[in-house]
This record gives sequence, C-alpha cells and structure tokens, in this order.
Amino acid sequence: DTGVSQNPRHKITKRGQNVTFRCDPISEHNRLYWYRQTLGQGPEFLTYFQNEAQLEKSRLLSDRFSAERPKGSFSTLEIQRTEQGDSAMYLCASSLSQPGRTEAFFGQGTRLTVV
Amino acid sequence: AQKVTQAQTEISVVEKEDVTLDCVYETRDTTYYLFWYKQPPSGELVFLIRRNSFDEQNEISGRYSWNFQKSTSSFNFTITASQVVDSAVYFCALSEAHTDKLIFGTGTRLQVFP
Repeated sequence: DTGVSQNPRHKITKRGQNVTFRCDPISEHNRLYWYRQTLGQGPEFLTYFQNEAQLEKSRLLSDRFSAERPKGSFSTLEIQRTEQGDSAMYLCASSLSQPGRTEAFFGQGTRLTVV
Repeated sequence: AQKVTQAQTEISVVEKEDVTLDCVYETRDTTYYLFWYKQPPSGELVFLIRRNSFDEQNEISGRYSWNFQKSTSSFNFTITASQVVDSAVYFCALSEAHTDKLIFGTGTRLQVFP
C-alpha cells in the first residue's frame, strides 16, 4: 500500500443521476477526509472520519451528499440527484489521529463532470 | 474565522531564479498548524511542510525554505534556483488545534521556464 487510492479517476454523469466514489486510505491511518476542489480554487473541506465515526461535516455538504466509512477502512462518498454545480474534483486524504500534528496524504482525486 | 490568503495567482520565472510564494493567514486560536502542499499537473496534492504556531524557526530543506512570522501572520515559501520540475500549483493551508480540517488558500500557480 503506497498511498491513498481513489476510484474512479473520472466520472461523467447526467444531471439527476446518483454517483458513488470510493477512497482507500493508507492502511495504518485512522482519519479519513473528503475535500472538493473546483477549478482555480483550493480544496474545500467536506467531512472527516476517525475510524468509522463521522466527526465533522461542512455546511457545504448538502442533504444530497452522504459519506460512510464502514469498519473504519475504505470510505464512500455518494451524491444523489447530481446537479451541474457538483462538477468538481473530489479529493480524499488520510492521516494518523493527532489533530494537526500529522500531515494528511491525498489521493489523486475523482473528477466528476455532470452534463 | 479562519482564512488563508495567497495573493499571487500566478508567477512565472526562468530556471535558476529564486521565487517566493506568499501566504497570509487569519485565526483566533493561539495553537494552530500551517502547511504547504504542491499540486502538480497530475492533480495529487503533495505534502511539503507542517509548522506549529509555537515554532517560529525558519526551515530549510534542500532548495526549499520557509519563513514563518507570527507578527505578520505570514508563512512564506521560497524556492532557490528554481527548476522546470517545480512548476505546479502551491497551496498554503491552516488547521486549528480543535479541529482536524485544513483550510486552504486559493493557490499560486508557478511556471518555471527553461
């Protein structure tokens, strides 16, 4: 396991469809984060987990978004009834549990295009 | 409120020039952490450095150096003798002690020309 893995790398979907992304963190990392990045902007925090518990959610995360981390391993991010404004790069990161004391390692992201 | 400002949107230099990327942050916390990440065209964010608010020592790592000044709330990043491979978008980020989320700036796109 050499890093954070995200699948798929690219997803094109029609407006109104549901999509699900997967993130596999670095194996010994117990914290997992989701961020969203739009063109020309820095990543924006969406949510994070410590083990299987979802500890914080951003106000950016509307009711159409849901994230899970069953058994504290991989995580999924689902977007229901996609809208064109959901088009973005979705980044996953993982780290060890000490807040701010260890760096987060990022995956290569899933680029979502809603047409 | 937390905020990170990277006023330089894009910088272009010729190889071997030195370049400094500016970062200014806002936070009410006394304990916080500052980061720099590099995002090459492949898209993956690569961690470069983490500093905590109690350690104002400047740091040097090869051609990279960082200048942390609490008095001006700045955490600037200098690349000495830039190379084409340094071309990327560089992000400064902040996290506070009570939360683990990163607040990113809008990034500075660095282009190094041969």
